[in-house]
Amino acid sequence: QVQLVQSGAEVKMSGSSVKVACKAPGDTFSNYGITWVRRAPGQGIEWMGGIIPVLGTVDYAQKFQGRVIISAATSTAYMELTSLTSEDTAIYYCARERGVEGAKGRYFDYWGQGTLITVSS
Amino acid sequence: SYELTQPPSVSVSPGQTARITCSGDALPNLYAYWYQQKPGQAPMLLIYNDIERPSGIPERVSGSTSGTTVTLTISGVQAEDEADYYCQSADSSGAYVIFGGGTKLTVL
Repeated sequence: QVQLVQSGAEVKMSGSSVKVACKAPGDTFSNYGITWVRRAPGQGIEWMGGIIPVLGTVDYAQKFQGRVIISAATSTAYMELTSLTSEDTAIYYCARERGVEGAKGRYFDYWGQGTLITVSS
Repeated sequence: SYELTQPPSVSVSPGQTARITCSGDALPNLYAYWYQQKPGQAPMLLIYNDIERPSGIPERVSGSTSGTTVTLTISGVQAEDEADYYCQSADSSGAYVIFGGGTKLTVL
C-alpha cells in the first residue's frame, strides 16, 4: 500500500500564504507525478495542478495560475497558495499521478489523508 | 470552458443497480476515471481508462463508454456505497485535468 502523508491542518489569515507538504515513498518521484486538488465545503473536487519531479515539469489549472506554486524536493512535494481568501477554506489533497501512453489521460491512484486549511478574515 | 456534466444526485434501494453518467465532448478521445469519496475520507480510484478496475475494487463496480458519455455502474448496491462519486478526464487539449461536479449516491 502506497502512503502519502500530508502536513497538518492550519488556520491562516486572509491575505497570507500557506504551504502544504506531501511526503511520498522513496521511489515515487522516480516513476510518478504528484497532483494537488482541493474540496471546499459544499463543493466538488477541484484540480489545482501537478508536478512530474523526474522531468521537472509543472502545470497549473488556469484558475490558480499565478497564485499557486507546486514544487518537490527529495521525497516531499509542496503546494503553496498565496493571497488567501475565505474562499480558499478547503481540504487540500495530494495524490500520486499516473500518465497514460499517447497522452490520452492522467489519473490519481493513491491519495494523501488531506489537509484542512481554514482562512479567517 | 470545458465541463464534465454529472447528475447531482442518484437514489437507489439496496440490491438495485446504480448508474451514474458523465458527459463531455472530449470523452470519445480521452480516457475517463471515476472516484468515490465518503465523508471524512480521501477520494478513492474506482475505474481507470474508462473500464479498468484497480485491484481491490469489486466486480460489481464497472465502467462503460458510449460516445460523449461514460457511465459508472454499481450493481447490488449496499449501504456502504453511499458516497459522492466524481468523474475525471482532461480538457479537449488533453493538457488540463477536469473533474465533474460530482454525484451524491443515496441508498434508500
